[in-house]
Amino acid sequence: SQQGEEDPQALSIQEGENATMNCSYKTSINNLQWYRQNSGRGLVHLILIRSNEREKHSGRLRVTLDTSKKSSSLLITASRAADTASYFCATDGGNNRLAFGKGNQVVVIP
Amino acid sequence: NAGVTQTPKFQVLKTGQSMTLQCAQDMNHNSMYWYRQDPGMGLRLIYYSASEGTTDKGEVPNGYNVSRLNKREFSLRLESAAPSQTSVYFCASRKQGTRYTEAFFGQGTRLTVV
Repeated sequence: SQQGEEDPQALSIQEGENATMNCSYKTSINNLQWYRQNSGRGLVHLILIRSNEREKHSGRLRVTLDTSKKSSSLLITASRAADTASYFCATDGGNNRLAFGKGNQVVVIP
Repeated sequence: NAGVTQTPKFQVLKTGQSMTLQCAQDMNHNSMYWYRQDPGMGLRLIYYSASEGTTDKGEVPNGYNVSRLNKREFSLRLESAAPSQTSVYFCASRKQGTRYTEAFFGQGTRLTVV
């Protein structure tokens, strides 16, 4: 069954604003990953957070993980038009599977 | 460095026809995956292969078969295509042996079954 569930599903923001999206999951995880998908393309890995980490940064990306609530959030700061894409969380339960959520569509308006 | 290569990029099949989607990676990864992506459904795992010679079912394996031909190649076969199999199919690979690795994806195969 699908583990990741993102919320909200669609987000429209002005360039320069921050974008936040959430992901919840149901079972224990080894790590949680976020991916970006530009229209019609394959997914590209953005950031990975381990189950024993609470927060991680990479450039304009900030990921948090709350294993007690089984949830994660992805924050994109100072958004750009090029950030327009779909964003997916994926959970790795340590069984060699990556289970993806339904994705968040983000539109950044120039 | 090509990464993960999928062929074909587009395909139209008639109901009942068969076809094989090809996937190859040049990163020496052990694990390979096939997902399908449908609107509003995210990515769902069809089959995966933890290493050469092994394959396992994912969430939605019915109607599909796979072959891990060697370490580089992992193919997905539709024996008798159905309109419900209209989807975008993604192959992915990742390194096994460490616990914290990301997946690399191909560009996808857009399949329409009429």
